[in-house]
Amino acid sequence: GENVEQHPSTLSVQEGDSAVIKCTYSDSASNYFPWYKQELGKRPQLIIDIRSNVGEKKDQRIAVTLNKTAKHFSLHITETQPEDSAVYFCAASSGTGNQFYFGTGTSLTVIP
Amino acid sequence: DTAVSQTPKYLVTQMGNDKSIKCEQNLGHDTMYWYKQDSKKFLKIMFSYNNKELIINETVPNRFSPKSPDKAHLNLHINSLELGDSAVYFCASGFSYEQYFGPGTRLTVT
Repeated sequence: GENVEQHPSTLSVQEGDSAVIKCTYSDSASNYFPWYKQELGKRPQLIIDIRSNVGEKKDQRIAVTLNKTAKHFSLHITETQPEDSAVYFCAASSGTGNQFYFGTGTSLTVIP
Repeated sequence: DTAVSQTPKYLVTQMGNDKSIKCEQNLGHDTMYWYKQDSKKFLKIMFSYNNKELIINETVPNRFSPKSPDKAHLNLHINSLELGDSAVYFCASGFSYEQYFGPGTRLTVT
């Protein structure tokens, strides 16, 4: 089955700096890679996703890059703000049977 | 914002009891899921139902049983609750590649 690894487990940045979270996956059949943000006590919410036919996707201050050859994808947050503080999860799915495999999460703290 | 709803939000019970968590989605999605999030925040898939048929069962104890009366509902029944069952349980629904989570049910077993 798929195995998704996520690093780092914790990340602290100064407000205004950039944050990068990296994930690797093992199953070459995976073709959809969403990122979820989970604020304290709340549900995980989809913030951005990328499919395997695209190398990069950007939405305002967040972007995701995908390297299919190396089987890794990354979340980039620029100009971080205190409200970006949360746990971020990456995931991988092949679409078949709609199975999602989640990384272990990254706790991001943005220091004002 | 109530696309995927769960009840109850909090559940406190004693070891050995049987309890149920209900989930409903009004998005018209074909697939619904149950996830367990432990104290370390790990999200583990427990079950997935596609149009009322179980398509994933990630080797959870058979004390856990999903029940789907129709495509919009996926309930989770837990028998003989144990201390280790304490966690937050998230229901989710999905269509094609996308997945949306419910607000979660915090289960505490004492």
